[in-house]
Amino acid sequence: NAGVTQTPKFQVLKTGQSMTLQCAQDMNHNSMYWYRQDPGMGLRLIYYSASEGTTDKGEVPNGYNVSRLNKREFSLRLESAAPSQTSVYFCASSESIYRDSYNEQFFGPGTRLTVL
Amino acid sequence: EDQVTQSPEALRLQEGESSSLNCSYTVSGLRGLFWYRQDPGKGPEFLFTLYSAGEEKEKERLKATLTKKESFLHITAPKPEDSATYLCAVQAPGTYKYIFGTGTRLKVLA
Repeated sequence: NAGVTQTPKFQVLKTGQSMTLQCAQDMNHNSMYWYRQDPGMGLRLIYYSASEGTTDKGEVPNGYNVSRLNKREFSLRLESAAPSQTSVYFCASSESIYRDSYNEQFFGPGTRLTVL
Repeated sequence: EDQVTQSPEALRLQEGESSSLNCSYTVSGLRGLFWYRQDPGKGPEFLFTLYSAGEEKEKERLKATLTKKESFLHITAPKPEDSATYLCAVQAPGTYKYIFGTGTRLKVLA
């Protein structure tokens, strides 16, 4: 099993460009998440999908959109990149079926994005 | 507001020098606290889940404990390969969301 995979690993964009970060998991998990990690800020939730067909905003959703393409795949789109979106982006998945399932998350290797 | 605070921010230990990392939380009705290890340039790796006060879990040189207000990650006789950032997280009750602390960067010197 590959677990959680993310593409690309690295990306440099110019301000105003768009791009989509891809995430896939092969653990048959129900819930998927997108986080960004910045120095001193910890992991902050951008969007999550509790199950196939649903998406919800997290702590810092502005400037991002997501698509839960199917149970395996969850993509994050930056429509018009800004320097403030320079960060490391992590996708995660969890078996969680219910709101209080308290299942651990499994993380991908991350995408390092720089916006000039 | 639900919050998770970790201390210290950074910790340097000599090989074999035991210590503890702290994770305090302000979440009502906590039913799950998670510890992760993160190596530079990689995603967090799951270590432990603790569900109730008094629970303890061990893995090699690591032992995690939980009280009603905080969790400790005890590192016994650490080795250089234990160097990493250790993150703790809680699941916000009644939601699918997880709240992470900012982590403790551990450096173990040979």
